[in-house]
Amino acid sequence: EDQVTQSPEALRLQEGESSSLNCSYTVSGLRGLFWYRQDPGKGPEFLFTLYSAGEEKEKERLKATLTKKESFLHITAPKPEDSATYLCAGAPNTGNQFYFGTGTSLTVIP
Amino acid sequence: EAEVAQSPRYKITEKSQAVAFWCDPISGHATLYWYRQILGQGPELLVQFQDESVVDDSQLPKDRFSAERLKGVDSTLKIQPAELGDSAMYLCASSQDRLSYNEQFFGPGTRLTVL
Repeated sequence: EDQVTQSPEALRLQEGESSSLNCSYTVSGLRGLFWYRQDPGKGPEFLFTLYSAGEEKEKERLKATLTKKESFLHITAPKPEDSATYLCAGAPNTGNQFYFGTGTSLTVIP
Repeated sequence: EAEVAQSPRYKITEKSQAVAFWCDPISGHATLYWYRQILGQGPELLVQFQDESVVDDSQLPKDRFSAERLKGVDSTLKIQPAELGDSAMYLCASSQDRLSYNEQFFGPGTRLTVL
């Protein structure tokens, strides 16, 4: 069964304390792995797409990596404005679905 | 910057009433998606359109939900009658082409509360 699991469910960091969020997937024939940021009461905002194991992408304090079984979103020296829920989604190479995880709620404390 | 538009942003209704949500995707995007997101969970696909045709509506509760995209541009999602369990965020997303490796771009959502 195609599935995406994120951990931890919630993460509290001090400002400047780097950490990683995990997204493990069991999506057959992964077409792409997508990371989104979602602020409360808003729609998800696209961050990254990863297509193949070993691929890495960066944007400001965020870096996403992909292996054959999981993806990591590394946050370096986070700031309070990085507080949000981070969602990952896997898309198989057949069918139309994006399989979303339940997200990691990140809180960065000043 | 092009964005997905949705309205209304908030809707409060009583159970058994009808509600409708509207979405205008990014110009030129052929594929349009409607998702439902319950608080604390990830979005779940309700229906996907390619131009004006439904590609996937396997998760759409067809006894009460309907969706259309008549001219292949904007779309309407309707619930009739609404039930208490329908309270959720309804998200619309669009992508250039479902056959390409394209990311989906989301609108701001409609928060539905059923009393």
